[in-house]
Amino acid sequence: QKEVEQNSGPLSVPEGAIASLNCTYSDRGSQSFFWYRQYSGKSPELIMSIYSNGDQEDGRFTAQLNKASQYVSLLIRDSQPSDSATYLCAVNMSRRGGSQGNLIFGKGTKLSVKP
Amino acid sequence: DAGVTQSPTHLIKTRGQQVTLRCSPKSGHDTVSWYQQALGQGPQFIFQYYEEEERQRGNFPDRFSGHQFPNYSSELNVNALLLGDSALYLCASSLYLSSYNSPLHFGNGTRLTVT
Repeated sequence: QKEVEQNSGPLSVPEGAIASLNCTYSDRGSQSFFWYRQYSGKSPELIMSIYSNGDQEDGRFTAQLNKASQYVSLLIRDSQPSDSATYLCAVNMSRRGGSQGNLIFGKGTKLSVKP
Repeated sequence: DAGVTQSPTHLIKTRGQQVTLRCSPKSGHDTVSWYQQALGQGPQFIFQYYEEEERQRGNFPDRFSGHQFPNYSSELNVNALLLGDSALYLCASSLYLSSYNSPLHFGNGTRLTVT
């Protein structure tokens, strides 16, 4: 059974702090990794993609990947109340070519940023 | 640039009935994937359509079927509805022959309630 595990939270951080979200995955051969943000009642929105070991930065967001440990993380610097949402980790475990439409999602971590 | 559109936005059905959900992919995309998201869970992959054929399928019973039309739009059909089918149904589009790291674009979803 291919799985993606996340702490469900809620994770509560004060405004301006760094929020750290973690994810582990079961399939060692996985190639691509994604973080989606989902506001309550809305659809998931892609915020970060990472494909190789190390860090990938985009503005206040940094994704970190360690394939040896099968671990992905997302850091949010200078957290804002508008960052309050559920963050979904997704992994493409498909061996087939073409589109990576088959993503395995974790259950999500609910983040709350307090003013 | 039109994003992924889904209809209807909300639907209430009775156990045993059948339902059809519709999706139009983002302009320029040729692949549609369907996901089911139960309350408090991450999205679960149902299946993916490309060139009017089902290309990949998740762990869902045959009651779940789909179709893709020549204009790339897609339908998800669920027969013999169960209470457990109540969920947010998400459609995502992408390009099949792009690299494996092509991101998914999600629609706003259809909220299905089975009573």
